Amino acid sequence: QLQLRESGPGLVRPSETLSLTCTVSGASITINHYFWAWIRQSPGKGLEWIGSVHHSGGTYFNPSLKSRLAISVDTSNNQFSLSLTSVTTADTAVYFCVKEAGSGPAAYWGPGILVTVSS
Amino acid sequence: DIQVTQSPSSLSASVGDRVTITCRTSQTIRNSLHWYQQKPGTAPKLLISSTSTLLGGVPSRFRGSGSGTDFTLTISSLQPEDFATYFCQQTYRTPPTFGGGTKVEF
Repeated sequence: QLQLRESGPGLVRPSETLSLTCTVSGASITINHYFWAWIRQSPGKGLEWIGSVHHSGGTYFNPSLKSRLAISVDTSNNQFSLSLTSVTTADTAVYFCVKEAGSGPAAYWGPGILVTVSS
Repeated sequence: DIQVTQSPSSLSASVGDRVTITCRTSQTIRNSLHWYQQKPGTAPKLLISSTSTLLGGVPSRFRGSGSGTDFTLTISSLQPEDFATYFCQQTYRTPPTFGGGTKVEF
């Protein structure tokens, strides 16, 4: 049974870097043809796709976040990570890590982690 | 980005009702439209992929249809466990984008 779980700080100061890790269990992150992604949800902006990564290291980013965003994969630990720099209160959201199916939808989701940006 | 307009934003219904939710995209997306169900405090759950393919375990009372720019989620006979918020998502172009959600309330 594939499971994903987000981890990281729940509070980040404005202008600092938000860093989250997703640990995948029940399957290898090196499954071909699949991407591993981050999606966030906030009351003001709804669901927003952040970006995705393939186990080869290939990435796709949301253009609205691209200048502040990095997503990487650690195949040895079956994890992938998100780094978002220069955060503001607008980055406050529940962050989900997901496994995207071949045609694109998020077929598996972690439970989500609330990240609050506040001084 | 492709804009996804979902309607209504909320609806009131009763058990046994037929419920219809629509999503309209700002450009044609073929069949790259997917539906999710979300209950409070939990992650969204994928119900239907590629317009009309039910995921395993999803009851047959859920039906997805449409093409091009107009898509519909129909629940033929609403059950108590179906009270939730529903989202659509297009994955035809990066970035994937979501509709604003429809809250189905009693």
